[in-house]
Amino acid sequence: GIQVEQSPPDLILQEGANSTLRCNFSDSVNNLQWFHQNPWGQLINLFYIPSGTKQNGRLSATTVATERYSLLYISSSQTTDSGVYFCAVETSGSRLTFGEGTQLTVNP
Amino acid sequence: DTGVSQDPRHKITKRGQNVTFRCDPISEHNRLYWYRQTLGQGPEFLTYFQNEAQLEKSRLLSDRFSAERPKGSFSTLEIQRTEQGDSAMYLCASSLDSEQYFGPGTRLTVT
Repeated sequence: GIQVEQSPPDLILQEGANSTLRCNFSDSVNNLQWFHQNPWGQLINLFYIPSGTKQNGRLSATTVATERYSLLYISSSQTTDSGVYFCAVETSGSRLTFGEGTQLTVNP
Repeated sequence: DTGVSQDPRHKITKRGQNVTFRCDPISEHNRLYWYRQTLGQGPEFLTYFQNEAQLEKSRLLSDRFSAERPKGSFSTLEIQRTEQGDSAMYLCASSLDSEQYFGPGTRLTVT
């Protein structure tokens, strides 16, 4: 099956710093989503981005489907950005395959 | 619309007991998914429904697991004869097209 690799596995930032999270995948995909998992376990949708670039406030994402990677940018980070960020891809049959996540800690 | 809901949010059970979880998808969504997440890992796919038809099942879904979606609305996931290895967060998601939206999950602890 498809492999999804996220980097870095852990990231510690000071409030106000910018960061880039990366997601590499091993095959062509129909769908790519970025999620933020809060401390209670809820997965929050950030982006549905099988290709191209999208922005939502301080967050933006870019997927280069031909090169099989996606990037999530967080600017001016806040403590509330802390949590685990997941990339998930769908190839066929609608199942999402998740990476192992990036644990982000933003210190005040 | 209030999003995907799951019940219960937490369940503690003794090994060997049966448990059942419920998922109510976003009302207009025809697709429903179950995933399982263990500590430190990303969610793993279990099964998928389109309307009332169960179209795909993962190898993770052993014979002790059964899922239903009567009338294409809510879904239930039953685990029979629970084992300690079943302890995990069970997540439900729904979609109308490709973008999946997740519920808050049911955290199962098997003692």
